[in-house]
Amino acid sequence: NAGVTQTPKFRILKIGQSMTLQCTQDMNHNYMYWYRQDPGMGLKLIYYSVGAGITDKGEVPNGYNVSRSTTEDFPLRLELAAPSQTSVYFCASSYDVHEQYFGPGTRLTVT
Amino acid sequence: QQPVQSPQAVILREGEDAVINCSSSKALYSVHWYRQKHGEAPVFLMILLKGGEQKGHEKISASFNEKKQQSSLYLTASQLSYSGTYFCGTEHNYGNNRLAFGKGNQVVVIP
Repeated sequence: NAGVTQTPKFRILKIGQSMTLQCTQDMNHNYMYWYRQDPGMGLKLIYYSVGAGITDKGEVPNGYNVSRSTTEDFPLRLELAAPSQTSVYFCASSYDVHEQYFGPGTRLTVT
Repeated sequence: QQPVQSPQAVILREGEDAVINCSSSKALYSVHWYRQKHGEAPVFLMILLKGGEQKGHEKISASFNEKKQQSSLYLTASQLSYSGTYFCGTEHNYGNNRLAFGKGNQVVVIP
């Protein structure tokens, strides 16, 4: 059981570039989430999904998009990267309304 | 609505006790507690649900005062491994496990 895996671990983007952060879980969880964490701050919810084909905005969705075509995968797309998107991104999953399991994170720098 | 966590930081010696708090200005359905060590992903500790049910870590206890809209986490006989940043996540509506996280309590346990 790998749990929640994220790729890449690190990435440097230039302003205006786009990229997709990958997230996969092998626990058959129906709920999945994307958070960002800035230094000294808590986790901010970007998008979440309660099942394949269903996604909804969180607290800070601007500049991001998601899709959920399978139970296992929940990729996060950044379009036109901006310096304000420099952050650590965590993907998480849960079985219904229970504890969330977090992936190891992706550290993204936009310069 | 982001919950408020206090104190911001705690330093204690091995074996000492500490209490960290999480309060919300909105009615709560549940409170989740997670611990994050430097450079790692948050790890689930405990869920406290409206109505008194608790699920989680055996060696860490917590309370949930629904009326006061707050929760406290009790670190008893602290160990070096308790060091890290503790985040509370508050859920206001049952069903989507959508959490608002506080900025965290930094706990340092020294020998």
